[in-house]
Amino acid sequence: AQSVTQLDSHVSVSEGTPVLLRCNYSSSYSPSLFWYVQHPNKGLQLLLKYTSAATLVKGINGFEAEFKKSETSFHLTKPSAHMSDAAEYFCVVSVAAGNKLTFGGGTRVLVKP
Amino acid sequence: GAVVSQHPSRVICKSGTSVKIECRSLDFQATTMFWYRQFPKQSLMLMATSNEGSKATYEQGVEKDKFLINHASLTLSTLTVTSAHPEDSSFYICSALSALPGFNNEQFFGPGTRLTVL
Repeated sequence: AQSVTQLDSHVSVSEGTPVLLRCNYSSSYSPSLFWYVQHPNKGLQLLLKYTSAATLVKGINGFEAEFKKSETSFHLTKPSAHMSDAAEYFCVVSVAAGNKLTFGGGTRVLVKP
Repeated sequence: GAVVSQHPSRVICKSGTSVKIECRSLDFQATTMFWYRQFPKQSLMLMATSNEGSKATYEQGVEKDKFLINHASLTLSTLTVTSAHPEDSSFYICSALSALPGFNNEQFFGPGTRLTVL
């Protein structure tokens, strides 16, 4: 079985300050891990993914995430938030067989001017 | 590339009627399509997995007779909500996956369909 816990349902940051979205996972096998962003009225967009290569993963729009097996974490960061980063973010885990994705509960990011 | 569309984007129907939602991969052939449901301010829950030409595999707790899935071609899957009731009101999202090299087994998501049952 696999599961994902996003530790914060809401995160509020000021524009230009760092963003940290926390994610812990549970998986019986070596997982693939993803971060997706969902803007209103738009489809989910893949920010980045970890698939057992480098533990520090760089994604689009300046986001990156670090896979820490010892902590079963995959936190998402961005050094400087932009107004356009306001959205819902999902941490997702997948086990190879069947490509099924299990979503975390989501973190809504608010960016203040 | 790798665009997935859904139609309609919004639908309102009366209780007891059936509603069909289409999911299309516009520029690639999808060997597998997935259907998710998202309640307001909640996460996505996988409903079913469908492979072209075969029966869909439903997740535990999802009524297959209520949520009919047809994956008739490599670019089209449909979800029909039969005898819809207000509790079926939700945001339905599909995704498509290609097994071809270069796609890296990534799921590409549609923009979603908001269903409201009165």
